[in-house]
Amino acid sequence: SAVISQKPSRDICQRGTSLTIQCQVDSQVTMMFWYRQQPGQSLTLIATANQGSEATYESGFVIDKFPISRPNLTFSTLTVSNMSPEDSSIYLCSVLNEKLFFGSGTQLSVL
Amino acid sequence: KNEVEQSPQNLTAQEGEFITINCSYSVGISALHWLQQHPGGGIVSLFMLSSGKKKHGRLIATINIQEKHSSLHITASHPRDSAVYICAALKYGNKLVFGAGTILRVKS
Repeated sequence: SAVISQKPSRDICQRGTSLTIQCQVDSQVTMMFWYRQQPGQSLTLIATANQGSEATYESGFVIDKFPISRPNLTFSTLTVSNMSPEDSSIYLCSVLNEKLFFGSGTQLSVL
Repeated sequence: KNEVEQSPQNLTAQEGEFITINCSYSVGISALHWLQQHPGGGIVSLFMLSSGKKKHGRLIATINIQEKHSSLHITASHPRDSAVYICAALKYGNKLVFGAGTILRVKS
């Protein structure tokens, strides 16, 4: 199994600022995933973070807007840059270790 | 057409009823996951299936690989089962595709 600590759990940010979300896993995992979940919607994959290489971004998401770090096999960060109200969403990290494990999510509101 | 389709979108049941949520997929997969998300809460993995059937307490999940279909059953439903249930297909290459979710409300 895997336990993921994600923080912050929520934040209210001003337009144009950036927020960095952190996920710490209690075991080493090769791949970590970052998702966005907009109100009433299912999860959308932003990118896959691999240790020691650049993250792989899905269509519609770019590194300049959502830079990701993966310095080791237990930790990753996602930054939401130059935020606008359209970025208001829940952001979740996840790992696949036989089963799926998710962080508790970050509820982001951009004013 | 989405690669993963879930039905129904919304489901209201009386306490004690037997509940079925369906998931169909159109892509080749290595596994299918069933997830539970409570309002304001995190997401919990219920099952990972690659074939056959799994049971955990009052929850049963089945998958038919030939028909590309999976079902999640809840027996003797209870208000605490109220949540969003999501199926997620794990495509080859470890890419997950999510269904839109089924909002379940169990009334007492």
